[in-house]
Amino acid sequence: GAGVSQSPSNKVTEKGKDVELRCDPISGHTALYWYRQSLGQGLEFLIYFQGNSAPDKSGLPSDRFSAERTGGSVSTLTIQRTQQEDSAVYLCASSLYSTQANYGYTFGSGTRLTVV
Amino acid sequence: SQKIEQNSEALNIQEGKTATLTCNYTNYSPAYLQWYRQDPGRGPVFLLLIRENEKEKRKERLKVTFDTTLKQSLFHITASQPADSATYLCALPTTSGTYKYIFGTGTRLKVLA
Repeated sequence: GAGVSQSPSNKVTEKGKDVELRCDPISGHTALYWYRQSLGQGLEFLIYFQGNSAPDKSGLPSDRFSAERTGGSVSTLTIQRTQQEDSAVYLCASSLYSTQANYGYTFGSGTRLTVV
Repeated sequence: SQKIEQNSEALNIQEGKTATLTCNYTNYSPAYLQWYRQDPGRGPVFLLLIRENEKEKRKERLKVTFDTTLKQSLFHITASQPADSATYLCALPTTSGTYKYIFGTGTRLKVLA
């Protein structure tokens, strides 16, 4: 597609429920990233996928968070047993290669998750 | 640990003036620094990258400086317009991976007509 597409754009869920957030990166981009943006906070790195390499999961805040990337394209971020502190905007980004710093990331518009 | 600081207070300026935003960092020496623009309800949009050996970089009405001694980058928008109103974020690669970035909290700029 022309840009990074994320769905849903908004999600309200009850505490304790599981949620799945989807990211469709730019076609051909090998690197995919998930970040989280909480009110008044900088973007927080969550996870990184590069091609067929093992993902860098070092930013996932707890074992309730997991992500996968199928076929080197679409990625799903899953949060199990959601807590109120999980409320944030979850941003997905992609880049042609992970070392393409000159072009930066291309971000999606994010999924705003609200846990009530 | 690595840290980025941006002025969290909003910056209001009159149309036509130059806006100057600051990004300070501590505890490491990045090879480059990026600036992004973020509009409400949208993801950040990449604007510019400046490398450690570049003192200044320009793109249209944007100018970025990078002072590795002061550990500071300044982001200037000349002849500012109301359409420039947005939040501006700086980002640095982490020491643990150049694909992983630390982002500042951003400075909100409002250009008044």
